[in-house]
Amino acid sequence: EVQLVESGGGLVQPGGSLRLSCAASGFTFSDYAMSWVRQAPGKGLEWVSNISGSGDKYYADTVKGRFTISRDDSKNTLYLQMNSLRAEDTAVYYCAKGLLGPYDSWGQGTLVTVSS
Amino acid sequence: ETVMTQSPATLAVSPGETATLSCRASQSVSWNVVWYQHKPGQGPRLLTYDASTRAAGIPARFSGSGSGTTFTLTITGLQSEDFAVYYCQQFNNWPGTFGQGTKLEIK
Repeated sequence: EVQLVESGGGLVQPGGSLRLSCAASGFTFSDYAMSWVRQAPGKGLEWVSNISGSGDKYYADTVKGRFTISRDDSKNTLYLQMNSLRAEDTAVYYCAKGLLGPYDSWGQGTLVTVSS
Repeated sequence: ETVMTQSPATLAVSPGETATLSCRASQSVSWNVVWYQHKPGQGPRLLTYDASTRAAGIPARFSGSGSGTTFTLTITGLQSEDFAVYYCQQFNNWPGTFGQGTKLEIK
């Protein structure tokens, strides 16, 4: 059974940093592209970033230059380093298995709150 | 980017009845549309892909249709566990974009 478990969310001040992790199990992690998708309070889903199995990285314009996606295939873990955080980055962040879609597996999400 | 517009925003239907959810793309996305079900505190669940193919383990009461710019998710014989928010997503054009969601409520 595929499992994706996010961690690392929390409360951070504007301009601060956080590192999210997503621990994967139940599939050959290195064979698959992985993505981060977020949902702001009361809003819909928004793709944030993805990384291919070969390490190619892509970002939404709203986070480009501030967020960095990475993966450690030896640990079956996906990361999202978030710097220069803004209030509008407040959201539940999900990791999902896949590049652009379809995302056939999702984690339960981790909440990031950017507030002073 | 391709804008996905879902309607209605909220749909109230009685258990046992049929719900029809719509999704329209601002430009052609071929068949590259998926539907997800999202419940509070959980990650979204893939229902259909390639517009009409059910994902593994998805009951036959869920069916997707459409191509090009107009897509529909139909849920027949609604059960209590089906009341949730539903999102369409296109992945034909970069970046993959989601609709704003349809909340399916119990009438």
